[in-house]
Amino acid sequence: GDSVTQMEGPVTLSEEAFLTINCTYTATGYPSLFWYVQYPGEGLQLLLKATKADDKGSNKGFEATYRKETTSFHLEKGSVQVSDSAVYFCAPGGGSNYKLTFGKGTLLTVNP
Amino acid sequence: DGGITQSPKYLFRKEGQNVTLSCEQNLNHDAMYWYRQDPGQGLRLIYYSQIVNDFQKGDIAEGYSVSREKKESFPLTVTSAQKNPTAFYLCASSLGQGRAEAFFGQGTRLTVV
Repeated sequence: GDSVTQMEGPVTLSEEAFLTINCTYTATGYPSLFWYVQYPGEGLQLLLKATKADDKGSNKGFEATYRKETTSFHLEKGSVQVSDSAVYFCAPGGGSNYKLTFGKGTLLTVNP
Repeated sequence: DGGITQSPKYLFRKEGQNVTLSCEQNLNHDAMYWYRQDPGQGLRLIYYSQIVNDFQKGDIAEGYSVSREKKESFPLTVTSAQKNPTAFYLCASSLGQGRAEAFFGQGTRLTVV
């Protein structure tokens, strides 16, 4: 089945720092790739997605590029804010696999 | 507004009692899912349903049961057989048929005392 390896947290940054959260995956076929964000005590929200190789997903200043050759989908943001503090999940899914497979999540804390 | 509604947000039960968590969606999605989240464990799939009147076990189905009698509803029962039921439970739905982008409810935090 599919699997995901995410950068282990917690990650602590100062406001306006550059963020990278690494994600690599194994999957059958050609999955779509997703990043979800979870704020304390809430459900998951879709942050961005990419559906095919070399696609770049972006939202709220976050970006990730679907790299088929390295099976990676690293999340980046050029300047983080305190409000970005949350847990981030990488997940492949779709195509021949009807469901999402989640990584363990990376806790990001941004200090003022 | 379209979305997924889980209720209640917090639930307390005594050990040995069955408890049912509600999940309703008005997105007209075919597929629905239940996940369990524990600290440091990520999300683990309990059950999923790709269509009405059909469902399959996920990775950690023991001690849980579900039903899918209506497209909109996918309730989860945590039975007394579940050895460690205290957790955060998340319901999700997707279009299905290979389209995995999922929309999540706000979750139910179950505490068994």
